[in-house]
Amino acid sequence: EDQVTQSPEALRLQEGESSSLNCSYTVSGLRGLFWYRQDPGKGPEFLFTLYSAGEEKEKERLKATLTKKESFLHITAPKPEDSATYLCAVQARSGGSNYKLTFGKGTLLTVNP
Amino acid sequence: NAGVTQTPKFQVLKTGQSMTLQCAQDMNHEYMSWYRQDPGMGLRLIHYSVGAGITDQGEVPNGYNVSRSTTEDFPLRLLSAAPSQTSVYFCASSPRLGALGEKLFFGSGTQLSVL
Repeated sequence: EDQVTQSPEALRLQEGESSSLNCSYTVSGLRGLFWYRQDPGKGPEFLFTLYSAGEEKEKERLKATLTKKESFLHITAPKPEDSATYLCAVQARSGGSNYKLTFGKGTLLTVNP
Repeated sequence: NAGVTQTPKFQVLKTGQSMTLQCAQDMNHEYMSWYRQDPGMGLRLIHYSVGAGITDQGEVPNGYNVSRSTTEDFPLRLLSAAPSQTSVYFCASSPRLGALGEKLFFGSGTQLSVL
């Protein structure tokens, strides 16, 4: 069974204080690892897809990295508008799992001005 | 560009009532799905469809029915609502989720309370 564990559950930062969110996963052959951002009262919004260990992707203050067991979402010099819940999800390579994503519980990030 | 549209945004039901959550997308996506989101739990897949006339069960299908008669619409039916179905429901679509790394586009959600 595919599993995704995100840590910490909640993180409070001061504006400009860089940090990282962790996503540990167990999957029977990784097809893709996804990061989403979710604002209160809204649906998740896509950020990144990572396919293989060693891959990195960047968007503004966010950088996602991938190893064979975990992914990190690095946030550099965050701003209050980066406050949101960040979700990690995996898609397995085999059979019917091609058609579903397994999500973690998310990390609630709060950035104080 | 509307994307994925869900209606209603909020709904309160009594135990045993039935209702349909609507989901429509205007991106000609093959893949559509329903997730529920509960406090302290990740998004969990209820049902999904890979095209008109084709549906399959996800992780938590009990108590829910779906059908897909058109590419655009994928309604979720609760036949006899139970308090355990109190949740936020998200519809999501993708051009073809089975393709490598194809991402999901989510609607804004329906908050359902069953009393």
